This record gives sequence, structure tokens and C-alpha cells, in this order.
Amino acid sequence: DGGITQSPKYLFRKEGQNVTLSCEQNLNHDAMYWYRQDPGQGLRLIYYSQIVNDFQKGDIAEGYSVSREKKESFPLTVTSAQKNPTAFYLCASSMSGGPGEQFFGPGTRLTVL
Amino acid sequence: GIQVEQSPPDLILQEGANSTLRCNFSDSVNNLQWFHQNPWGQLINLFYIPSGTKQNGRLSATTVATERYSLLYISSSQTTDSGVYFCALETSGSRLTFGEGTQLTVNP
Repeated sequence: DGGITQSPKYLFRKEGQNVTLSCEQNLNHDAMYWYRQDPGQGLRLIYYSQIVNDFQKGDIAEGYSVSREKKESFPLTVTSAQKNPTAFYLCASSMSGGPGEQFFGPGTRLTVL
Repeated sequence: GIQVEQSPPDLILQEGANSTLRCNFSDSVNNLQWFHQNPWGQLINLFYIPSGTKQNGRLSATTVATERYSLLYISSSQTTDSGVYFCALETSGSRLTFGEGTQLTVNP
């Protein structure tokens, strides 16, 4: 089955701890994205990567970091510098870095206690 | 950056009713997508429609790029249609900008 997987589904962390969210895709897509969703709002772009070993900041990159060492993987680290990390995080991918349809994973709900 | 406005913000229907959701945007776009977010948070692709009209079963969508709006039509609504509907626009660099969504509730 081709698709995008995110793990874990739910994540609880203490304030001040870094946490890494996993995103894997087997669609052979070049581009991958991370979005954040707060309750009652739309999604906002955190980081995106159009090709392996390259990534760009989105609209709300402060307090987050990413890596893209493999085509199929794009992990997101939420650092202690992120002031309000509790949110729903969604990963997406698209075939190329140009205009094209994006597909989303099931998301990770992060709660910082 | 591009502004995306969705209306109405909330919509309550009886099962079997038809509805139209609207997405207005402030700039030209390379890509426009409609999504349905189910109660578990999963975003389901409905349409990839930068221009023109597409239909998929009870749903159809029309984008008039020159007038900067898109419409999503839902006919004969079912309770499983409930959830949040988002439009999202790509202007450059493959970045999607999302609207605030329309919360649809379909009552039996």
C-alpha cells in the first residue's frame, strides 16, 4: 500500500524537552512538507523540502528543525524554543517541487505538559 | 502573502440537502485543492482544481481563476459528509496556503 505514515499518533512531552515526529512516504515523491494545525484553524507551513539534502523554512519555522537525508523520510524536531508546541502536526508529500497535488499523512497530536 | 477566505464558516444541514461552499482568494494561483478533514483529523483529497470544473460522485468543484474564487458543491448530503472543508492554494514554490475552513454538520 502506497501512502504516508506518521508516528506516533499521540505524543506527550514535558515542557523543555525536544521531541521528534516521524514522517515516512513510499510514494516516491520528491517533495515533503510539515504543517501545524491549531484548534479551529487552518494549516500553516512549518518547513518543506523539494529534494533530498535540501529544505526551506515555511511561515512558522521558529522553534522547529528538520532533516532530509533520505527521499522517503522527513522528520520534524520540536525544540524547547517553540513557545506553544501543543498542536496537531501533519506531514504531506507531492510528486515534485513544482505545482502539484499534495497528499497528507494521518497526523500526530502533540501535547506538552 | 495570498489571502484565502472561506464561507460560510459554519453550515448545518439536514440529510439530503444540497450546499455550496465558497473560497475567495486574493492572487493568481498555480494550484487549488479542496480537502475534507474527518473527525479523526485526516485530510482527504477531494479535488485538485486550479481551473475549470470537476465532478466526483455527489461532489463537484468549479474554479474561476480569473475571478479568484472556487466553489465546492455537495449534493444529497449524508451524515458522513460532516467535518471541516478546506481550500488551499499554491502560488509559488509548492507552498500551500490554507483557508480557515467551513465546518459542516449534517443531521440525520
